[in-house]
Amino acid sequence: NAGVMQNPRHLVRRRGQEARLRCSPMKGHSHVYWYRQLPEEGLKFMVYLQKENIIDESGMPKERFSAEFPKEGPSILRIQQVVRGDSAAYFCASSLYENTEAFFGQGTRLTVV
Amino acid sequence: GESVGLHLPTLSVQEGDNSIINCAYSNSASDYFIWYKQESGKGPQFIIDIRSNMDKRQGQRVTVLLNKTVKHLSLQIAATQPGDSAVYFCAENINNDYKLSFGAGTTVTVRA
Repeated sequence: NAGVMQNPRHLVRRRGQEARLRCSPMKGHSHVYWYRQLPEEGLKFMVYLQKENIIDESGMPKERFSAEFPKEGPSILRIQQVVRGDSAAYFCASSLYENTEAFFGQGTRLTVV
Repeated sequence: GESVGLHLPTLSVQEGDNSIINCAYSNSASDYFIWYKQESGKGPQFIIDIRSNMDKRQGQRVTVLLNKTVKHLSLQIAATQPGDSAVYFCAENINNDYKLSFGAGTTVTVRA
């Protein structure tokens, strides 16, 4: 049973470009969470999604950031018009049910140059 | 501000010794706590958890202690090994919510 798969592992974007981060949850998991980790800090909750629904996006910046989890395919975190401050590690986690253990992927390290 | 925090940012420990990593939280409504280990370039890995109706829980070589009176929890690692070198995070969950709040982490370095 493969774990949570994120790709790409590393992503470099120029300021103003778009970044698309993908997350495939563990098999059978329909709950997906995105977290952001700035250098030498803990993870900060961004958004919680279930299939085709955004449940809680209270941690998402109001502009430029969006997330989706379609019926088919991976969850996508999209950052439009990236700025240097978006440089961070973005982690996805999935769980079988809402209040059960969440398993984390290896993360995508975004660098904005 | 942060509701979960760690007392020390770094911890150096001799191989074979026991390690103790501390964490303080401020929200008395927190009822579920998890310790994660994060190795360089990897995602957080679940180590052990504890609910607020317990004050101690043991796993393989690890023990978590929860003191609700002073809002403090600790992770004890017995016979620390080189493979234990990593950043350790405590995370809390409030009212059985799905949202985890992480502290800043303690970097543990094991000396041979």
